[in-house]
Amino acid sequence: DTGVSQDPRHKITKRGQNVTFRCDPISEHNRLYWYRQTLGQGPEFLTYFQNEAQLEKSRLLSDRFSAERPKGSFSTLEIQRTEQGDSAMYLCASSPGVAGYNEQFFGPGTRLTVL
Amino acid sequence: AQSVTQPDIHITVSEGASLELRCNYSYGATPYLFWYVQSPGQGLQLLLKYFSGDTLVQGIKGFEAEFKRSQSSFNLRKPSVHWSDAAEYFCAVGRLGAGSYQLTFGKGTKLSVIP
Repeated sequence: DTGVSQDPRHKITKRGQNVTFRCDPISEHNRLYWYRQTLGQGPEFLTYFQNEAQLEKSRLLSDRFSAERPKGSFSTLEIQRTEQGDSAMYLCASSPGVAGYNEQFFGPGTRLTVL
Repeated sequence: AQSVTQPDIHITVSEGASLELRCNYSYGATPYLFWYVQSPGQGLQLLLKYFSGDTLVQGIKGFEAEFKRSQSSFNLRKPSVHWSDAAEYFCAVGRLGAGSYQLTFGKGTKLSVIP
């Protein structure tokens, strides 16, 4: 299966610790997105990459959050000094193309629990 | 800013019955509209999308949706529900402009199917 993969699938951490998630998009997909989904809510957009360039960041992405996509392949999302409010499912998606709207393919997500 | 409203948090139908899930959006320009399904432990899967053209859109798994501009709606329908359709369904709107391809999701409708 060559879909979007995310690692780890689950992460439990203590408040104040740093965590890092990884996303491997579908091969050759130019665009990569991060979303956050809390209980009872739909996914909320966090940030978007076109190749290695981070083109848009939501106001939800506080200074404690940083995302990278070196070489335009996999991406990492780091949360520093985690808070209980960071507990959520973090979803990664990728899509092909340079112009226009294309289907976003989602990974299974990383569920973060902050104790 | 765009928004999506899914008025029904939870719907229960009997297997074999018809289904309609409601979605209303708020967006100033022509929207790009999507329906995604999320099963427990799974990523979101695209059921169908509307970009332009025929306002009745066919998707996978026997689903269809109709775009009604006058009502700002994009309701999802299925003539006969199967037990495997039990999942959470999300309507989303895409915003095109200034290099942004983010999706704005509704809060979702959880579908339960009675055998």
